[in-house]
Amino acid sequence: QKEVEQDPGPLSVPEGAIVSLNCTYSNSAFQYFMWYRQYSRKGPELLMYTYSSGNKEDGRFTAQVDKSSKYISLFIRDSQPSDSATYLCAMSARAGRRALTFGSGTRLQVQP
Amino acid sequence: DVKVTQSSRYLVKRTGEKVFLECVQDMDHENMFWYRQDPGLGLRLIYFSYDVKMKEKGDIPEGYSVSREKKERFSLILESASTNQTSMYLCASSGETSGSYEQYFGPGTRLTVT
Repeated sequence: QKEVEQDPGPLSVPEGAIVSLNCTYSNSAFQYFMWYRQYSRKGPELLMYTYSSGNKEDGRFTAQVDKSSKYISLFIRDSQPSDSATYLCAMSARAGRRALTFGSGTRLQVQP
Repeated sequence: DVKVTQSSRYLVKRTGEKVFLECVQDMDHENMFWYRQDPGLGLRLIYFSYDVKMKEKGDIPEGYSVSREKKERFSLILESASTNQTSMYLCASSGETSGSYEQYFGPGTRLTVT
């Protein structure tokens, strides 16, 4: 079983829809949770970061972490065609030096 | 603006060749990483380095080696390329400041071994 599970999609939604992307994990030591966005033929770039449990909002994006359920989510409100990309969750037990453990990524397509 | 660059975007090599993938970062970061990305498997860590001349194995180091002679440069070496090493290779770097977590990625090198 993988340490981090993520539905690969693809997920296709109409423009303006609310999108929900999710990951589950098995390692209870994880406490740093990130969402990366990767456009086609580009490297991933950090979108959202959350430490421990709780919610974090940044514009149209909201990240949620539920450590008791080992479940994290990314919500995108008023989705735009420019949001079409692969979204990767990533997590780590400590900041800095250690490498991240990534989910396999969910491909999102927002139809105009 | 932060920058991680990789020597090639696309590379085609033959089975048995020695392959060098180069990565350079201009952020004075201590940590550098090499991942490979395959459909359905996500990013898997091959090797990482937290200082010049230091290296640690990641999850899938077999068939690979690395070199870090200068702080800004981290090289991935395929000693004898095989077809199962056909993949997208991503380099990343991160700083060692307190609370740092973000890894900055390069654009990737798509390697095909025939």
